[in-house]
Amino acid sequence: EADIYQTPRYLVIGTGKKITLECSQTMGHDKMYWYQQDPGMELHLIHYSYGVNSTEKGDLSSESTVSRIRTEHFPLTLESARPSHTSQYLCASSEQGRDTGELFFGEGSRLTVL
Amino acid sequence: GQNIDQPTEMTATEGAIVQINCTYQTSGFNGLFWYQQHAGEAPTFLSYNVLDGLEEKGRFSSFLSRSKGYSYLLLKELQMKDSASYLCAFMDSNYQLIWGAGTKLIIKP
Repeated sequence: EADIYQTPRYLVIGTGKKITLECSQTMGHDKMYWYQQDPGMELHLIHYSYGVNSTEKGDLSSESTVSRIRTEHFPLTLESARPSHTSQYLCASSEQGRDTGELFFGEGSRLTVL
Repeated sequence: GQNIDQPTEMTATEGAIVQINCTYQTSGFNGLFWYQQHAGEAPTFLSYNVLDGLEEKGRFSSFLSRSKGYSYLLLKELQMKDSASYLCAFMDSNYQLIWGAGTKLIIKP
């Protein structure tokens, strides 16, 4: 069973606020990802990391930043939230290996920006 | 360019068989993945095909034809708990997953 946790599960905030979505995994996976998913739509990659001190932008950077100071922790920060950021954010991890497409997902953080 | 396409919604009857198709276009290909996502939950991995042919795993099977850019997920002996969205994704030349929008499968008694 996957051990990857996201907090908060649900968050409602006002425009302009800074927020951090937390993601932690206990599987020792090197690769971690942040995806954004709207209802009935495909997952869009926001950021990813191949290991400690490695971070890359995906197709949808979404005016957000990430950090990877520890293997198990990969937080996502929105410096100034906007209504267009309202969405579900999914964190995932996978084992090292270029062809590893088996991702383990967290439960998601559903963000609403008013 | 790259794109991936799958039907938006399908309906099937409990106990029956359903096939969910996925077509893709890409210049670089490193495998085709299927995930299941129940409403309000995270996706979970179902299958992986990198070579042509059928991979069977219990009630679920996945097929790949690389020359046709085509895959399908076959679900047998459908159960009510199989009601979910089924996401198709391929891994591109940069080893990144490109996701379809998912097929919502509705199972009726």
